[in-house]
Amino acid sequence: EAGVTQFPSHSVIEKGQTVTLRCDPISGHDNLYWYRRVMGKEIKFLLHFVKESKQDESGMPNNRFLAERTGGTYSTLKVQPAELEDSGVYFCASSQNPRYGYTFGSGTRLTVV
Amino acid sequence: DQQVKQNSPSLSVQEGRISILNCDYTNSMFDYFLWYKKYPAEGPTFLISISSIKDKNEDGRFTVFLNKSAKHLSLHIVPSQPGDSAVYFCAASLYNNNDMRFGAGTRLTVKP
Repeated sequence: EAGVTQFPSHSVIEKGQTVTLRCDPISGHDNLYWYRRVMGKEIKFLLHFVKESKQDESGMPNNRFLAERTGGTYSTLKVQPAELEDSGVYFCASSQNPRYGYTFGSGTRLTVV
Repeated sequence: DQQVKQNSPSLSVQEGRISILNCDYTNSMFDYFLWYKKYPAEGPTFLISISSIKDKNEDGRFTVFLNKSAKHLSLHIVPSQPGDSAVYFCAASLYNNNDMRFGAGTRLTVKP
């Protein structure tokens, strides 16, 4: 079975620009999560979808971040406008039963200059 | 606030010896704990988990110990192998809550 796919793998943008990250979860996984890791710190929770609904978005840093999950399939995370502190690795993960762990994608490394 | 803490950013051990990675948590409502392993340029991969009703779970060379009273868990790798060199993340979740909280990770280096 295909794993969790994230695109792009790297993105370098200027401060003030917009970037959209995409995540394709494992087919059939209702739960989709976005996490971010900044400069070797903890992998920080951003939000959780169950199908197309936002179950928990308490980790979203501010309203410059917008996440969507179209039809309960792939998800996008848009940052607009990007700031320097948004730099980090953004991980997407999916699961059907989280008690068996999540499957993570390889991440998108975002660099805002 | 960081609810899951891994206070050792790095650990170096000799091949064949035991590796012990530690994790502390602050939320006593966490009831499920997991360890993930991460290689460079890859996403974290699930390694082993433990429910709060247990104090030990073993899978091959990997054993996780949970001390609920101390809000502490540890991962033991015996014997350590060079291929175990990676960053290890501790994670915790609440019952009926699908959101996991991760620590900052510990970079394990196993020297041949």
